Amino acid sequence: SQQGEEDPQALSIQEGENATMNCSYKTSINNLQWYRQNSGRGLVHLILIRSNEREKHSGRLRVTLDTSKKSSSLLITASRAADTASYFCATDIGTGNQFYFGTGTSLTVIP
Amino acid sequence: DGGITQSPKYLFRKEGQNVTLSCEQNLNHDAMYWYRQDPGQGLRLIYYSQIVNDFQKGDIAEGYSVSREKKESFPLTVTSAQKNPTAFYLCASSILAGWENTEAFFGQGTRLTVV
Repeated sequence: SQQGEEDPQALSIQEGENATMNCSYKTSINNLQWYRQNSGRGLVHLILIRSNEREKHSGRLRVTLDTSKKSSSLLITASRAADTASYFCATDIGTGNQFYFGTGTSLTVIP
Repeated sequence: DGGITQSPKYLFRKEGQNVTLSCEQNLNHDAMYWYRQDPGQGLRLIYYSQIVNDFQKGDIAEGYSVSREKKESFPLTVTSAQKNPTAFYLCASSILAGWENTEAFFGQGTRLTVV
């Protein structure tokens, strides 16, 4: 399986603090994506970073990618209670757009 | 509104029965996927389809079957051969663009419980 792994499995922070979660994967990729899942709901796409990119920003989100270490990080700045959710990384490893998901980080932001 | 719709949201099944989960999309996407999610775990790929009348097994296809007779529809049947079917099932779709970078759009999921 090409499944990635997120670290930490769970993270609890105060509102206003930054949250950082990491993703490691096993093989070469075309791109890496981050998704958010609210409890009992489907996943929502947050951001995509291509294999030739090292950093990408979208609003309060900052994603980095280190292909030599096969790892990525997602930083959420100035967190809000509404950011409470599970966050998953997904890798696209080739043709057919097969997305392989990691195990997720459960983020709790305390108001 | 464009989107991907799964039904029903909750489904209860008796042991030994087959059950079919519906997934419909009006995004004109070529590719569709079925994932299984167990509590506190990530998503595991069951089946995926890149084109009508064609589909491929994912990592955990045993005990499941699919069909892709129409571009918009990709139903999943959980058969009695699936040993542990209680789970949250997610359907997704994406533009099939070869080496281009695309994202997956998800339905809201179907929670299947075997009683």
